[in-house]
Amino acid sequence: AQTVTQSQPEMSVQEAETVTLSCTYDTSESDYYLFWYKQPPSRQMILVIRQEAYKQQNATENRFSVNFQKAAKSFSLKISDSQLGDAAMYFCAYRRSTSYGKLTFGQGTILTVHP
Amino acid sequence: GAVVSQHPSWVICKSGTSVKIECRSLDFQATTMFWYRQFPKQSLMLMATSNEGSKATYEQGVEKDKFLINHASLTLSTLTVTSAHPEDSSFYICSAELGYGYTFGSGTRLTVV
Repeated sequence: AQTVTQSQPEMSVQEAETVTLSCTYDTSESDYYLFWYKQPPSRQMILVIRQEAYKQQNATENRFSVNFQKAAKSFSLKISDSQLGDAAMYFCAYRRSTSYGKLTFGQGTILTVHP
Repeated sequence: GAVVSQHPSWVICKSGTSVKIECRSLDFQATTMFWYRQFPKQSLMLMATSNEGSKATYEQGVEKDKFLINHASLTLSTLTVTSAHPEDSSFYICSAELGYGYTFGSGTRLTVV
């Protein structure tokens, strides 16, 4: 079974600084999808970024980028120029590359942004 | 974009009663709906997967008789917590698969007193 591990229960960053959230996963499959979701205090799940395993290029969405290391099964999220609105719980998630696939979530990392 | 509307957003019920949570896909057809439970500051735990027109698939350890899931149409999936008890108090979230992504409902906070 696939597992996703986020080893940082909590992280903090100063406004305008950069922070990296870690995620590792375990799978025997070669093709899959990885996601980072943000859950702010409203608890609405928001997609931050998505990565297809077959793509070597790291995904980027504005201030958010990932470092995808397939061999190491690592998928970290870098937030640049952190803003107060980035404060949230962040989840790393894995999904098999099939026509139907459930998400497997990591434990989550609570990110605090200090002004 | 695709939206899943989840209602109610919060509910308080008495122990022993049943509560129904609805998730509607507003502008797309949701063949598959996932139901999660989340405790404070914890991750989302998948409870079950519902497919339109067929029985739901429950994760190990989830009581199917307590958490009844119905997916009668391509736009509506419901979760009914039967004979609720205080330990069922939690945050419940639905999610629909859309292509190779997902859209989530806004969640339901259930408190059983």
